[in-house]
Amino acid sequence: GNSVTQMEGPVTLSEEAFLTINCTYTATGYPSLFWYVQYPGEGLQLLLKATKADDKGSNKGFEATYRKETTSFHLEKGSVQVSDSAVYFCALSDAGGGADGLTFGKGTHLIIQP
Amino acid sequence: SAVISQKPSRDICQRGTSLTIQCQVDSQVTMMFWYRQQPGQSLTLIATANQGSEATYESGFVIDKFPISRPNLTFSTLTVSNMSPEDSSIYLCSVGGGRLAGELFFGEGSRLTVL
Repeated sequence: GNSVTQMEGPVTLSEEAFLTINCTYTATGYPSLFWYVQYPGEGLQLLLKATKADDKGSNKGFEATYRKETTSFHLEKGSVQVSDSAVYFCALSDAGGGADGLTFGKGTHLIIQP
Repeated sequence: SAVISQKPSRDICQRGTSLTIQCQVDSQVTMMFWYRQQPGQSLTLIATANQGSEATYESGFVIDKFPISRPNLTFSTLTVSNMSPEDSSIYLCSVGGGRLAGELFFGEGSRLTVL
């Protein structure tokens, strides 16, 4: 079956540091890949997505590239801000993310200190 | 996009009781899902709520424990039956498919604590 593995948290960084949150997956076929973010006290929001190999999703300064050869979708940001403090979930879908449920990683709690 | 309202946002329940969570969407959606997020854990799909027919449950979840209704394309309910402390979780409604293809939208969740 499908599974998503992401790095354990919490991850604590100083403002303006470089961020990488690792995510690898196991899936049959060619899944779509997603990063969701959950800010304190809010619901999950889609951060970015990629639907095929070598696609790069980007939003709010975050990027992730769909690497089929390494089955990875690592999240990166060049300079984090305090407002980026949140829980980040990597997820995959076999059906484009809209016609089927998602398989989520356990989430990574990111804490950015001023 | 889609705006999702869940009620209640949180509740404290006694062991052995049942609670129904409501999910209302501001527009018609094709797919509605219910997830559970246990403390410190990831989100786990409970079931897909099908309009006009029985929900489709994932492995480990059964209708007797988590009955689901979906009377129309904008509303669904999840009942957590005969609750025990192990049912203490955040329950989330999400929607997708159709015009929302490629993305799932989530409600803010219902945080249940079972004593």
